[in-house]
Amino acid sequence: QLVLTQSPSASASLGASVKLTCTLGNGYSSIAIAWLQQQPEKGPRYLMKVNNDGSHTKGDGIPDRFSGSSSGAERYLTISSLQSEDEADYYCQTWGTGIRVFGGGTKLTVL
Amino acid sequence: QVQLQESGPGLVKPSETLSLTCTVSGGSISSYYWSWIRQPPGKGLEWIGYIYYSGSTSYNSSLKSRLTISVDTSKSQFSLKLSSLTAADTAVYYCARDRGSSGEGFDSWGQGTLVTVSS
Repeated sequence: QLVLTQSPSASASLGASVKLTCTLGNGYSSIAIAWLQQQPEKGPRYLMKVNNDGSHTKGDGIPDRFSGSSSGAERYLTISSLQSEDEADYYCQTWGTGIRVFGGGTKLTVL
Repeated sequence: QVQLQESGPGLVKPSETLSLTCTVSGGSISSYYWSWIRQPPGKGLEWIGYIYYSGSTSYNSSLKSRLTISVDTSKSQFSLKLSSLTAADTAVYYCARDRGSSGEGFDSWGQGTLVTVSS
C-alpha cells in the first residue's frame, strides 16, 4: 500500500537547522516524493521533488536554505538558518498510476 | 507562471451537489493533468481526483461514487461535481496542476475556496 508517514510535529530554534522526515510504505522505497509547505491560513506551495538517490529539484523561487535528501525508504527536507516565516505545516506527497497520496503533515514550530 | 483560481458557492445544503470550477491562466491547460484536493478544517490534505486535458480521469476510491471531474479546454477550465453532500465534505477545496505522471507532483496551486455544508 502506498503510504507516507510523517511525524505530527517538530520544533527548532530561530537560526538553527531542522530535518523533517517522510517515510515510504513497504515496497515503495525506490520512488520519489515532493515536499509542500503550507503557511498559516495559506494554500500549499511546492518546494521540491526528492528522488530515491537523494537528488532534488526545487520549485521556482525556493531559497537555498531548503534542501532534500534520501536514505532507503526515508525522504528528508532540511531547512537551515530557520526564519520565523518557516513556521508552517510541511507535507510530503507522491504519485502512482491513477493515485496520489499525501503524508499526514508535520507542524514545524520555530522557537 | 501558471495561475489557478477556484470559484463556486461557499455554502451548500446537505444532500445537494457541489459544483466548483478552476480557471487556469498564464499557461496552457493542454498536456497536463489537473487535480482537485481538499482540506477539512484543522486537518491534512486529501486528494480528490485528477483529469487529463484530453478528458481521462482518476478518482479517489472513497469519493468515486459521488464524484465527476470534467474539463473545458476552450475556456481553460476544469470542474468538480460532488453529490450527496454531508457535513464531512466541509473543507477548503484546492485545484492544482498535477505533474505526478511526469514524476514532479503538484507544482502550482490555487488559493483555495472554503465550502461549508450546512442547512
